[in-house]
Parts: sequence; structure tokens; C-alpha cells
Amino acid sequence: GENVEQHPSTLSVQEGDSAVIKCTYSDSASNYFPWYKQELGKRPQLIIDIRSNVGEKKDQRIAVTLNKTAKHFSLHITETQPEDSAVYFCAAGENSGYSTLTFGKGTMLLVSP
Amino acid sequence: DGGITQSPKYLFRKEGQNVTLSCEQNLNHDAMYWYRQDPGQGLRLIYYSQIVNDFQKGDIAEGYSVSREKKESFPLTVTSAQKNPTAFYLCASSVDRTGELFFGEGSRLTVL
Repeated sequence: GENVEQHPSTLSVQEGDSAVIKCTYSDSASNYFPWYKQELGKRPQLIIDIRSNVGEKKDQRIAVTLNKTAKHFSLHITETQPEDSAVYFCAAGENSGYSTLTFGKGTMLLVSP
Repeated sequence: DGGITQSPKYLFRKEGQNVTLSCEQNLNHDAMYWYRQDPGQGLRLIYYSQIVNDFQKGDIAEGYSVSREKKESFPLTVTSAQKNPTAFYLCASSVDRTGELFFGEGSRLTVL
């Protein structure tokens, strides 16, 4: 089955800095890579996703890059703000319509004012 | 409001008792999932269901059971066979094509 490794487990940055979270996956059949954000005490929510036919995708201050050859993908957050503080999960799976995703163990991002 | 509702939010049970967690969705999604979340472990898949009256085991199904008698409902039973049931349980559903998961607010189970 799929195995997803996520690093770092915790990341502390100053407000305005950039943050990068990296994930690797093992199954070359995976073609869908979403990122979920879970604020303290709340449900995970999708913030951005990328499919294997695209190398990069941006949405305002967040971006995701994908390197299929190396089997890794990354989340980039620019101009971080305190409200970006949360646990971020990467995941990988086949976008077959009823795919089951394999999640990384999460990264706790702390943005200090 | 469309969404996923889990109940109860908090649940305490004695060791050896079965407990059932409720999950209801009004998003008209075909697929539903149960995940377990432990600190530092991410989200691990317990069971999932693609259509009514059908479900499959996930990565950590031992000690759990589910049913899918209605499209809207996917209850999870934590049985006495689950060796370490204290955890945060998340139910989710997904739309076909995109695979985006919509999560409920979770149920925290504590076994005393």
C-alpha cells in the first residue's frame, strides 16, 4: 500500500516568513495529492490539492509543488500570519472517484506575531 | 446547512463495552469514511463505504464494525475487541471525481 512521510513534525516561524512542509510517497500509481489544514479543536479542511498532470498550483499565499519522478510534493505558505497556525496534513491516493487517501502524520505550524 | 454531523462529541465508556458513533451527511455523497486520529499519528482509515450496503476495511479495521443501510448514515461501532479505543474519531464523505473529503467535527472516545 501507499506510505506517506511528512516533515517536519513541527515548524515555528515568525509572522511574514515563509513556511515549507514536505511529503514523500511510495506508490507510483498515486495521482492525487491534497493538503488539509486542521485548526485546534476543528475539523480538517482541504486547502489545496494537485493532480499528477500538473507540477505546481497556487492559490493566493499557498502553493503546492509536485515532483513525480522523485515522488515528493511540498506545501509552501508565503507571508505567514498567526491564523495560519494549525496542523497541516498531506495525503496521497488515486483520484479514481472513490479513492482512499493515505495521510502523513501532520506538521504543527506555529506562526509567532 | 449541508454537512456531516457526528454524535456524540464526547463519549466515556467502561472497558469491555461496545460503543456506537453516529455519522450522518446531507451532502448526497456516495462515499463515506471513518478515520482515527491519535497525536502524532495523522489520520488512519478504519472503514470506508462506496455505496449503500457495501463497505471495505481500511488500514486499522480490527476491533471496529460499520454498517451502511442508508446513503446518509455510516455508524461506527467500537467493539470490546479494540485494544486501545481511546481516540478522536472523524467521519468524512466525498464527492466522486474530486476525491475531496468533507469531515465531521469528530467524536472523542475515552475508555475508562
